[in-house]
Amino acid sequence: GQNIDQPTEMTATEGAIVQINCTYQTSGFNGLFWYQQHAGEAPTFLSYNVLDGLEEKGRFSSFLSRSKGYSYLLLKELQMKDSASYLCAASDSNYQLIWGAGTKLIIKP
Amino acid sequence: ETGVTQTPRHLVMGMTNKKSLKCEQHLGHNAMYWYKQSAKKPLELMFVYNFKEQTENNSVPSRFSPECPNSSHLFLHLHTLQPEDSALYLCASSQEVAGSSYEQYFGPGTRLTVT
Repeated sequence: GQNIDQPTEMTATEGAIVQINCTYQTSGFNGLFWYQQHAGEAPTFLSYNVLDGLEEKGRFSSFLSRSKGYSYLLLKELQMKDSASYLCAASDSNYQLIWGAGTKLIIKP
Repeated sequence: ETGVTQTPRHLVMGMTNKKSLKCEQHLGHNAMYWYKQSAKKPLELMFVYNFKEQTENNSVPSRFSPECPNSSHLFLHLHTLQPEDSALYLCASSQEVAGSSYEQYFGPGTRLTVT
C-alpha cells in the first residue's frame, strides 16, 4: 500500500533550527511536496522536490533522497509565526498526491 | 488569499438535512478537488474534476454528491450525513499538465459539524 510517515508533533525554540522528517512508500514516484497549514487556514505550498538533493528557499529548505524514500523540511531562524502544521505529500505514478497526517510544530519563546 | 474561495466557512447540519458546499477558483486552473480533513489524519481525496469531467471518486459514500458546472466552480451536495462526516472540507485547484506534478492551491475550508 501507499503510506506517508511524519512525526505528529515537534517543539522548537524561537531562533533555532528544526528538521521535520517524512518517509514515503508509493506506487511510483513523481515528486515530494511540503505544505504549511496554520490553524483554521488553508494549506499553502512551500516546496517541491523531484530530484535528489537540497532545495533552499529563504529560511526554509527541503531535501529529498529517492533511494531512501525520505525527505525533510528544514526551518532556520524560527519565528513564532512558523507555528503551524507541516504536511508532506508524495506524487504517485498517476500524479495523485498521497498525504501524511501532518506535523504540528510548536514554537516556544 | 490563495485565489480559491469556499462558502460557507462553518456549517452545522442535522442528519436529515440537505446542504451544499461551494468552491470557486479565480486562478484559471483546469482541475479542482474536494478533500476531507479530519483531526490527526491525512487529507483524504474525495473527488477530482479535470476540465469539468470527474476523473476520481475515491469510494466516497453516495451521501456526498459533487457537481462541477464549469472549470471555476465546484459544489459538494450533502444529504443524510452521519456524525462521522464532521470534518474540515477543503477545495483545491491546480493547472494540470500531462506528465507533470503540479502544485495545488487550497481554499480555507468549510468546517462541517453533523449533529
